Amino acid sequence: DSGVTQTPKHLITATGQRVTLRCSPRSGDLSVYWYQQSLDQGLQFLIQYYNGEERAKGNILERFSAQQFPDLHSELNLSSLELGDSALYFCASSVGGTSGSTDTQYFGPGTRLTVL
Amino acid sequence: SQKIEQNSEALNIQEGKTATLTCNYTNYSPAYLQWYRQDPGRGPVFLLLIRENEKEKRKERLKVTFDTTLKQSLFHITASQPADSATYLCALPPMEYGNKLVFGAGTILRVKS
Repeated sequence: DSGVTQTPKHLITATGQRVTLRCSPRSGDLSVYWYQQSLDQGLQFLIQYYNGEERAKGNILERFSAQQFPDLHSELNLSSLELGDSALYFCASSVGGTSGSTDTQYFGPGTRLTVL
Repeated sequence: SQKIEQNSEALNIQEGKTATLTCNYTNYSPAYLQWYRQDPGRGPVFLLLIRENEKEKRKERLKVTFDTTLKQSLFHITASQPADSATYLCALPPMEYGNKLVFGAGTILRVKS
């Protein structure tokens, strides 16, 4: 158990809909990262937050948005869903957010999103 | 931007043998490198971190080397077991500001009994 929690575990929805994925980082971790992993694909970095502020952005679609709240939990919002958005979405957390840190990332169990 | 290459072909080995996985990178000199394990449908799990001034790091049956001249890290699992079957990912820090790791695509290891 990494200490990172994600809800829900599974999500089935239809094209065009909007969903929210939730992540609670490990106690004491200030950074939260979101990744997308499609079937048999590698991890695709989406976005990082550090202590409530956006720190880094990857290949995140405009239909997707995220935020980190004062209690440090994070939500990833996916809207106008398409079939191709079906994937595993992982959240990870680490202690700090400063350059040069070697913070290990601890991953949650993931949310499996299926768009029909 | 930096490029990370891991063997795209799965590595199939016999139980008890040593598995060796490769991670090559280009375009910069990272201060450290990390290895993760990922089982199907689950999140990656951190295994080892090696810094640029360390040639080798060990943890139980795992050994990692880091050759900054060759720009390569080797990940060894000795006395491999079927339970070691998984995808192994290497990860490097980004070239630009920040501590967002950049993950390789991973190599699938299959250990047969």
